[in-house]
Amino acid sequence: AQSVAQPEDQVNVAEGNPLTVKCTYSVSGNPYLFWYVQYPNRGLQFLLKYITGDNLVKGSYGFEAEFNKSQTSFHLKKPSALVSDSALYFCAVRDSYGNNRLAFGKGNQVVVIP
Amino acid sequence: DAGVIQSPRHEVTEMGQEVTLRCKPISGHDYLFWYRQTMMRGLELLIYFNNNVPIDDSGMPEDRFSAKMPNASFSTLKIQPSEPRDSAVYFCASSLGDRAGYGYTFGSGTRLTVV
Repeated sequence: AQSVAQPEDQVNVAEGNPLTVKCTYSVSGNPYLFWYVQYPNRGLQFLLKYITGDNLVKGSYGFEAEFNKSQTSFHLKKPSALVSDSALYFCAVRDSYGNNRLAFGKGNQVVVIP
Repeated sequence: DAGVIQSPRHEVTEMGQEVTLRCKPISGHDYLFWYRQTMMRGLELLIYFNNNVPIDDSGMPEDRFSAKMPNASFSTLKIQPSEPRDSAVYFCASSLGDRAGYGYTFGSGTRLTVV
């Protein structure tokens, strides 16, 4: 069964500094990988996904993620964090065999300090 | 498209009462998922449907919980009787399962408080 690990509970970063949220995954076959963001009192919103092709994926709000097959990782990055990026971030994975069940990580709280 | 629509946004009920949460998925989506989110347990998958048929309900906590999807545009999650430990935010999400790499679209959630 597929699974995701997000090792850190909270990530603190100063505004303007690079932001990284870590994710490692386990799946049979090729992975489909996703990042979602949840702002307070809102549902999860899609940020970006990796299906195939270029290992560096660009998404909404200046976020990007790098797929690393050898390390089974899909870390989320942003070159310069904004206070408005403070939110809960979820990594998710599914296999490519037609099983449409996404496995979500526990989420990482990102706090951007002004 | 208006997205995934959930109602009500907030529900406060007394212990022992029946609670019904509603979800309208995105038109044309053939998968529907119900999740529960709490601080302690994070995001938990309760049940999901494909073409209105329940596929996996192993996440439903107990018999007090039931879910139905009578047609492609409507689903309900019912708790009867409700208990304080059911207090959580309940999310509905829909997806197109036959499109490779299609993710989920989430509703805004229903915040349930059982007193």
